[in-house]
Amino acid sequence: QVQLVQSGAEVKKPGASVKVSCKASGYTFTSYYMHWVRQAPGQGLEWMGIINPSGGSTSYAQKFQGRVTMTRDTSTSTVYMELSSLRSEDTAVYYCARVSPHYDILTGPPDYWGQGTLVTVSS
Amino acid sequence: QSALTQPASVSGSPGQSITISCTGTSSDVGGYNYVSWYQQHPGKAPKLMIYEVSNRPSGVSNRFSGSKSGNTASLTISGLQAEDEADYYCSSYTSSSTLLVFGTGTKVTVL
Repeated sequence: QVQLVQSGAEVKKPGASVKVSCKASGYTFTSYYMHWVRQAPGQGLEWMGIINPSGGSTSYAQKFQGRVTMTRDTSTSTVYMELSSLRSEDTAVYYCARVSPHYDILTGPPDYWGQGTLVTVSS
Repeated sequence: QSALTQPASVSGSPGQSITISCTGTSSDVGGYNYVSWYQQHPGKAPKLMIYEVSNRPSGVSNRFSGSKSGNTASLTISGLQAEDEADYYCSSYTSSSTLLVFGTGTKVTVL
């Protein structure tokens, strides 16, 4: 069965960086793109970007351009999301989510989601 | 790219049917059948309920159905049950540089 297991909660100071991991299992890792989505406390879902686990190409939401870096390690079937220059507004739960194979495009909406990683930014 | 527009809240009594709308533009909802719906209980990750406008993944109750007309997609929950109380989000592929856009979210309350 498909599983996406994310790293644990993080507490960071403003200006620092955070790197969240997402380990995939139960399917061919390189066959499906992976989204990163975040959700601030009490707020809705916000798309951050997407990575192709096969070639490593990425596309980021304009809002995060210059601050976010998505990478992958095919040897461990893991994708990573690093966000730098953290500020209090970045406090949120960060999710990885696999692009659904039901769609005939590579970047469609997701099906399976990780359990989420809470990142708290506080001085 | 703005979020897709959903009503903030919808409520219904057990056994009733409710419908949640999701309004976008011709660049997202109206232009493609790449619309999904998610259910999210407090403290949990979103769960896929509908994909490609109207298809249910295996294991999702047939009380959930989806449709689309023009720039608006809809999720209908029939035979409302207490366990359906949750937040619901639509999402769509978009032809803008933001490849994926989500709805503003709807809180469903079972009275």
